[in-house]
Amino acid sequence: QKEVEQNSGPLSVPEGAIASLNCTYSDRGSQSFFWYRQYSGKSPELIMSIYSNGDKEDGRFTAQLNKASQYVSLLIRDSQPSDSATYLCAVNNAGNMLTFGGGTRLMVKP
Amino acid sequence: EAGVAQSPRYKIIEKRQSVAFWCNPISGHATLYWYQQILGQGPKLLIQFQNNGVVDDSQLPKDRFSAERLKGVDSTLKIQPAKLEDSAVYLCASSFTRLASHEQFFGPGTRLTVL
Repeated sequence: QKEVEQNSGPLSVPEGAIASLNCTYSDRGSQSFFWYRQYSGKSPELIMSIYSNGDKEDGRFTAQLNKASQYVSLLIRDSQPSDSATYLCAVNNAGNMLTFGGGTRLMVKP
Repeated sequence: EAGVAQSPRYKIIEKRQSVAFWCNPISGHATLYWYQQILGQGPKLLIQFQNNGVVDDSQLPKDRFSAERLKGVDSTLKIQPAKLEDSAVYLCASSFTRLASHEQFFGPGTRLTVL
């Protein structure tokens, strides 16, 4: 059973702080990793993808991947109340089939 | 560009009844996915189509769930008979191809409540 694990939260951070979201996965053969944002009552929206070890930055978002430790993280700098959502980590197995973690609920307080 | 369309948006049925969901993917997207998202959990892939063929349905409860994608465009997902534990949001997604670099775009989902 291929698994993706996330802390369910809620993770509460003050506005302007850095939010750090973490994810571990069990399948060592996984090659592609994604972070989706899901607002309450809405469908998931892709915000970051990462394919190789190291950091990938896009605006206020940075994804970090460590395949040796089977660990992927998402940093959100200068967190805003509009960032309050559930963040889903997803791992791509063969054939573009995603396995999702349970999600971490982020709350950014003004 | 129009997104993934799904209908209905909400459905309430009693257990043992049947229900069907419809999905229209983004134009030109060959790959279509159905996910089940139970409240408080991440989406779980039920079935993946490439054009009108099934690529993977290993997590589809085939005794009660069925899906088809006639003509390689629209798709329907059916549950018959429904159980209480089928209460969930059913998400349809599509991607240009099965390549990992091709983003999956999600539709708004159908929220199913089984009483």
